[in-house]
Amino acid sequence: QSVLTQPLSASGTPGQRVTISCSGSSSNIGRNTVNWYQQLPGTAPKLLIYTNNQRPSGVPDRFSGSKSGTSASLAISGLQSEDEAEYYCAAWDDRLNGVVFGGGTKLTVL
Amino acid sequence: EVQLVESGGGLVQPGGSLRLSCAASGFTFSNYWMSWVRQAPGKGLEWVANTKQDGSEKYYVDSMKGRFTISRDNAKNSLYLQMNSLRAEDTAVYYCARDSDAPIVGSTIFDYWGQGTLVTVSS
Repeated sequence: QSVLTQPLSASGTPGQRVTISCSGSSSNIGRNTVNWYQQLPGTAPKLLIYTNNQRPSGVPDRFSGSKSGTSASLAISGLQSEDEAEYYCAAWDDRLNGVVFGGGTKLTVL
Repeated sequence: EVQLVESGGGLVQPGGSLRLSCAASGFTFSNYWMSWVRQAPGKGLEWVANTKQDGSEKYYVDSMKGRFTISRDNAKNSLYLQMNSLRAEDTAVYYCARDSDAPIVGSTIFDYWGQGTLVTVSS
């Protein structure tokens, strides 16, 4: 059971917009920033969104992040086949004094 | 170019020990917090530990406190994870990740990751 809660799976067709939610609590998302990671099959995770809604250089603007209260969301617009991957949210938890990850959401592009 | 290269993984018996290393290059190592993150086969990501720029602060996930020790050598641009009393459930790919350059803990951003090293705990 992960501290941050994500849906196990999400799906969409090419060109569609999909969102992935990440639910936490006052000790993690409620107080600290959220980062999102993309993990393609067989590869190391890659930073996708940091500090709630910032994109690292090279990440397409199709990817966006938001945070409200104790929840965060990742939105992917103009879905492409190469977006098929596992997505993880993460944040620092002040009560646990450590980083907590969501369980991951497997995105399928139909 | 930022590079993180892990080594030291392998097969170890339950109760055994292993020391992982991560060689960093392409950035000023001593400016960054560094973390270890692991991923059991077919499972999600789990943060293990991190260490402050000068090694003066270290944080661990509760389940690994007392068994795992994170350390760094800024002169060698290297991060380490000493793992003792290993259990079958410690079987995972262990990633080294560059953390934030903030002076205090809490703004963790893993912006670079190594390729990972596989640790298998089995008799």
